Amino acid sequence: ELKVEQNPLFLSMQEGKNYTIYCNYSTTSDRLYWYRQDPGKSLESLFVLLSNGAVKQEGRLMASLDTKARLSTLHITAAVHDLSATYFCAVAGTYKYIFGTGTRLKVLA
Amino acid sequence: DVKVTQSSRYLVKRTGEKVFLECVQDMDHENMFWYRQDPGLGLRLIYFSYDVKMKEKGDIPEGYSVSREKKERFSLILESASTNQTSMYLCASSQGGSGNTIYFGEGSWLTVV
Repeated sequence: ELKVEQNPLFLSMQEGKNYTIYCNYSTTSDRLYWYRQDPGKSLESLFVLLSNGAVKQEGRLMASLDTKARLSTLHITAAVHDLSATYFCAVAGTYKYIFGTGTRLKVLA
Repeated sequence: DVKVTQSSRYLVKRTGEKVFLECVQDMDHENMFWYRQDPGLGLRLIYFSYDVKMKEKGDIPEGYSVSREKKERFSLILESASTNQTSMYLCASSQGGSGNTIYFGEGSWLTVV
């Protein structure tokens, strides 16, 4: 059974600091997704990682994928308040997409 | 842009009522999904469909059914709503096959009283 675990579940950080969110999954998959959700809103696609060693960056966010370790990371550089949201990783199985429990990020001014 | 539209944003229903949640996508996607989202539990897959009239159970199908009579429309049905089905329901779609990016609707907040 495909399982996806994220940590931490909650993250409160100061503006300007760096931090990493981790996403572990239980079975082989070479497709991993990161989504952002603002309060009361739906999920917005951030990154699609399609192969081992893939790295993608958008602004202050950088995502990477290590399929051998079954691990993806979402690194936040010099956080700003606008990055406050909940971040989900998801792994593609056969037709199914399994999501982690989410990391609720709060960036403090 | 892909658009996934959920017809009802906020609903309040009574225990035992039959509830229909409708979802329409405009990108000719083969795959459609229904998830529910609860605090601390993330998104859990209820049902998905990879073709018209086809449906597959997800991880938590109990108490739900679905209908996909047309490619663009995927309906979630609560035959007899219960209070533990109070949740946010998210519809999503993706291109055919596996591993394509899925796109979400705005969500439907259902409260069962």
